[in-house]
Order: sequence, then C-alpha cells, then structure tokens
Amino acid sequence: QSALTQPASVSGSPGQSITISCTGTNSDVGNYNYVSWYQQHPGKAPKLIIYEVSNRPSGVSNRFSGSKSGNTASLTISGLQTEDEAAYYCSSYTTSSPNWLFGGGTKLTVL
Amino acid sequence: QVTLEESGPALVKVTQTLTLTCTFSGFSLSTSGMRVSWIRQPPGKALEWLARIDWDDDKFYAASLKTRLTISKDTSKNQVVLVLTNMDPVDTATYYCARIPTAKSAFDIWGQGTMVTVSS
Repeated sequence: QSALTQPASVSGSPGQSITISCTGTNSDVGNYNYVSWYQQHPGKAPKLIIYEVSNRPSGVSNRFSGSKSGNTASLTISGLQTEDEAAYYCSSYTTSSPNWLFGGGTKLTVL
Repeated sequence: QVTLEESGPALVKVTQTLTLTCTFSGFSLSTSGMRVSWIRQPPGKALEWLARIDWDDDKFYAASLKTRLTISKDTSKNQVVLVLTNMDPVDTATYYCARIPTAKSAFDIWGQGTMVTVSS
C-alpha cells in the first residue's frame, strides 16, 4: 500500500479541467512544501511537472497547476489535451523513513 | 544538458546480488546541495523510493530495504552505484536514478530506467 493516497483513475474530455488529489499526513504533505507531481506515459520515465507544491519547471505548460490544503495536495490540468493522457504520481518529502513517499498513481483518460 | 543513464543486468537469479550503475552528465555530485536517488517501479505498479546519496556523502535508505541496500558514488566518474542483495521475484521492476537539486527539492531529471527481472 502506497503512503500517499491518490484516486486510481480520473477522466475528462478535451478542453475540460480535472483535478487529482493526493492525501498524506501531517508528517509529510501537511508538514512540508516539498510536494511534487510527475507525469508518466506508458513505457517512459516519469517527468517532473510540479515541484514544491505549485512551481512549474521550465518548459512545462501553464495548464498544469498545483496547490495544497492541510494534508492534501492537488494537481489541476486545465484545457485537457489528448497528450495529457498518462499516469500522474504525487510525491512528498517526509522526515520518517523513507525520505520520499509516492502516491499510488492516477490514470488520466482523455475521452 | 543534464542526463542520467542506468545500467546493469536485465536478469538476475533469486538470492543473487544486483548491482546497478547510474552514469550522469551535465552536473557534479560534488556541488553543494546536489543529490541522486534510486527509485523503482514494478510492472504496472507505483513508484517506490529506494535510496539517496548527497554531495557530502550522506546516505539514506528506505526502511523496508535498509538491510539489503547500499548506495555509493564515484564523483570522478560521475557515477552512483546501487547494490541490492538477496534478490527476490518481488524485486522485479524498472529501476530509475534521478537527480534532486536543492533548488527544486524534487526529482527533476530521470534516467530512462533499466528493467530487472528476478528469476527463480
């Protein structure tokens, strides 16, 4: 069982917005602003799309945004595009071992 | 340009020891704040953080695997090595190395991964 809880799947139509939640505890998500999000297409390595809750690396579309409230972080993808169809993983730093936790992953289907 | 590349055996037998090498370029692991981690992903499953080594040679391990894992670095060769002993079929996974720069506190660049199958 993964330490951070994500929905197994979400779906949306092109142009719509979706939000993926990531729930942890006050030992990880709730205690640090070191939440990051990764996009993984089948057979590919994960790609960083959000770091430190809400920051986008250079080159990542501004359709991707992140936020956090209490022990839950969220990833919002606006203006859905077919190429957004992928698995999305959240991650958080934690002072307990292991250092970094991942969520179970959310499969996004763009209908 | 920052790149990382994992290498190692594709197939190991139960109880054997796995040694994986992450060879990187475009940054130095002697730079203050720089870190490299290993992460794995069993087929069809989620990511699992395994270990981390820092620029100052501090090392951290996942508690569930701590007794089986060793991480080390060779700064002159730009390599990080992960050793996992007593391999079991549940260790079958794609193993990734990834960089963690202090400026982002996240895994900002990943290798392409190397698939390791444990056979009985």
